[in-house]
Amino acid sequence: DAGVIQSPRHEVTEMGQEVTLRCKPISGHDYLFWYRQTMMRGLELLIYFNNNVPIDDSGMPEDRFSAKMPNASFSTLKIQPSEPRDSAVYFCASSSSLENIQYFGAGTRLSVL
Amino acid sequence: QKEVEQDPGPLSVPEGAIVSLNCTYSNSAFQYFMWYRQYSRKGPELLMYTYSSGNKEDGRFTAQVDKSSKYISLFIRDSQPSDSATYLCAMRIQGAQKLVFGQGTRLTINP
Repeated sequence: DAGVIQSPRHEVTEMGQEVTLRCKPISGHDYLFWYRQTMMRGLELLIYFNNNVPIDDSGMPEDRFSAKMPNASFSTLKIQPSEPRDSAVYFCASSSSLENIQYFGAGTRLSVL
Repeated sequence: QKEVEQDPGPLSVPEGAIVSLNCTYSNSAFQYFMWYRQYSRKGPELLMYTYSSGNKEDGRFTAQVDKSSKYISLFIRDSQPSDSATYLCAMRIQGAQKLVFGQGTRLTINP
């Protein structure tokens, strides 16, 4: 398996623009997680899905952030409008309820100017 | 106060030294404890996984959990420059999928 695949690897955008981050989980995994990592706050859980259904979105910072999982092999995290304080590395991870180990993608490094 | 506390370092030691990395936590319901290793510009990868209290050894790595003190440790023996990375502790409660991570400790092993 290729592991968790995230795209793009880097994103540079201007304040106010819409940003869409993409994730393909490991095949067969039924949980998908979105994290944000910054120097100041470390790794923070934003939202997670089970069988494509959002279970806990309490970590989503505000209404500008939204996440979807239309099917078992694809998820998006959208920021609209983006702000400079959204600059961070965003990770997607997936896990199986049989194993309970989260596998992380390589991340998307977002810079909002 | 954060649920999981971890000294962010940085920590710099000579090659061959024994490294000790630690986390403390406040939620006594945590039952599963993990250490992830994150190389620069990569995603975290699972290094060690323990359940409840006790020790677990895997090659040069030993994970310890002391639930009475709410304290976990990762020891690296005969440290190598390739061990240079950020080490994150993580934990969760029984039946939950959500992990709570420490801040991460940045470790450098000097040749």
